[in-house]
Amino acid sequence: EVQLLESGGGLVQPGGSLRLSCAASGFRFSDYGMSWVRQAPGKGLEWVSTINFSGADTYYADSVKGRFTVSRDNSKNRLYLQINSLRTEDTAVYHCAKSWSDLLINWFDPWGQGTLVTVSS
Amino acid sequence: DIQMTQSPSSVFASVGDRVTITCRASQTINGWLGWYQQKPGKAPKLLIYSTSSLQSGVPSRFSGSGSGTDFTLTISSLQPEDLATYYCQQANSFPLTFGGGTKVEIK
Repeated sequence: EVQLLESGGGLVQPGGSLRLSCAASGFRFSDYGMSWVRQAPGKGLEWVSTINFSGADTYYADSVKGRFTVSRDNSKNRLYLQINSLRTEDTAVYHCAKSWSDLLINWFDPWGQGTLVTVSS
Repeated sequence: DIQMTQSPSSVFASVGDRVTITCRASQTINGWLGWYQQKPGKAPKLLIYSTSSLQSGVPSRFSGSGSGTDFTLTISSLQPEDLATYYCQQANSFPLTFGGGTKVEIK
């Protein structure tokens, strides 16, 4: 069974930083692209970032470009999101998600339960 | 960027009703359209990919159709466990974008 477990969220002041982590199991992690998708409280889904299977190619939403960095460690089956210069509008549950197939541009299946990032002074 | 517009934003229906949700893309997406179901307090779950292909394990009362810029998710006979918010997502190009969601509530 594929499992994705996020960690690293918490309360942080505006301008602060966090590193989110996603532990993957149940599939050949190094074969698939991975993504981060966030959901602000009571709001819809927003794609944040995608990284290809090897980590060589990364893509970001304009709203986070230059502040967020996605990376992966295939030897540890882990996905990361370094989030810097946090703004109040970054408050959301951050889900990691596996690409449905080996294509880079893809749907997300499955999703982790998410980790909550709250940006507030 | 490709904008995805869903309608309606909410729907109230009775058990057994047919429910239809529409999703319109701001430009053609070549059939690269998926649908997700998000139950309260849970992570989204992929229901349909490539416009009309049912993800493994998804009940056959769910179906998808469409082409070009207009797509539809249909629940043929609404069940109590279908209470959820449904989102469309285009997988044609970056940035990947979602519709605003349709909340399905049971009368």
